[in-house]
Amino acid sequence: GQSLEQPSEVTAVEGAIVQINCTYQTSGFYGLSWYQQHDGGAPTFLSYNALDGLEETGRFSSFLSRSDSYGYLLLQELQMKDSASYFCAVYLSGNTPLVFGKGTRLSVIA
Amino acid sequence: DAGVTQSPTHLIKTRGQQVTLRCSPKSGHDTVSWYQQALGQGPQFIFQYYEEEERQRGNFPDRFSGHQFPNYSSELNVNALLLGDSALYLCASSRPGAPSNEQYFGPGTRLTVT
Repeated sequence: GQSLEQPSEVTAVEGAIVQINCTYQTSGFYGLSWYQQHDGGAPTFLSYNALDGLEETGRFSSFLSRSDSYGYLLLQELQMKDSASYFCAVYLSGNTPLVFGKGTRLSVIA
Repeated sequence: DAGVTQSPTHLIKTRGQQVTLRCSPKSGHDTVSWYQQALGQGPQFIFQYYEEEERQRGNFPDRFSGHQFPNYSSELNVNALLLGDSALYLCASSRPGAPSNEQYFGPGTRLTVT
């Protein structure tokens, strides 16, 4: 079976930095994606890592270690609008659909 | 450029009934995937359509079926609805061979089975 583990909830202060971890055990691995979903909204693509290392896109960065089956999403300069659920998701092979974790609910407080 | 659109937005059905949900992919996308998202959970893959064929299928019963049309739009049909089918149904579109393997999700259809 496939399993992705991420914390269920994280709380952080506005302006701070927060890291959301994801560990995975899957039969095959092609890449790791991160999605943001606001309450009542659609998941929105944030980042994709196929190789080890850090990918940076503005205030968001994502890291992957294939040898450790581990990745994280780093959010800097937190804003209230970043309060949402964040999902890590694995591609098992090139054109396969995503296998999602259960999501981490991030609450940004003043 | 219109993104992924889905209809209807909300739907209430009775146990045992049948439902059809619709999805139009993002312009330029020809692959459509359907996901079921229960409350407080991550999306679960149902199936994927490409070139009007079901290309891959997740662990869902045959009550869940679909179709893709020549214009790449897609339908999800669920027969003999159960209370447990209540969820947000998401459609995602993508381009095979896209360099980033990203999928664009629609806003979803919220199905409530009573």
